[in-house]
Amino acid sequence: AQKITQTQPGMFVQEKEAVTLDCTYDTSDPSYGLFWYKQPSSGEMIFLIYQGSYDQQNATEGRYSLNFQKARKSANLVISASQLGDSAMYFCAMRNAGNMLTFGGGTRLMVKP
Amino acid sequence: SQTIHQWPATLVQPVGSPLSLECTVEGTSNPNLYWYRQAAGRGLQLLFYSVGIGQISSEVPQNLSASRPQDRQFILSSKKLLLSDSGFYLCAWSPDSGYEQYFGPGTRLTVT
Repeated sequence: AQKITQTQPGMFVQEKEAVTLDCTYDTSDPSYGLFWYKQPSSGEMIFLIYQGSYDQQNATEGRYSLNFQKARKSANLVISASQLGDSAMYFCAMRNAGNMLTFGGGTRLMVKP
Repeated sequence: SQTIHQWPATLVQPVGSPLSLECTVEGTSNPNLYWYRQAAGRGLQLLFYSVGIGQISSEVPQNLSASRPQDRQFILSSKKLLLSDSGFYLCAWSPDSGYEQYFGPGTRLTVT
């Protein structure tokens, strides 16, 4: 069975600073992928970034980067230069070989002006 | 470009009443389709997924059902709602050969 753990229920970050959101996972599948989604108060789930288990380099998308440490089974999201609009819930998710997603419990990020 | 629609956006229904939530995708063909439920302050739980017309797989046994009458239409139904069915329901799609899942705007269901 797959499991995703996000140990930070809530975090504060000062505007313009970087922040790391933690995600650890457990799976027995040799092939898997890791996602991060952003959910603002409106409820929509916004895809941010994806990392495949066989990808050699850490994924980056603009201000988002994924710190993938396979041996530690961690896939932390790094947001650089935080903006007020980054305040939202952030979910880590893992896909299995059948493309099913398992979600973590989420981290609420609050950006302070 | 692809878009995904869900309606209604919000719904308040009494216990024991039927339910029908609709999801449609535009701009793609043969998508994989998914229904998720999110309880307040929690992560998403996969309810159903479909890889093609008439092909539905259920992840969690419950009083909900899903159908896919057309390639880009996915419907979530119930004959009799329970209080525990309250939540935020999200439909998602992924390309037939891709990994990313893209979500619709969601339906907030309150069962009273």
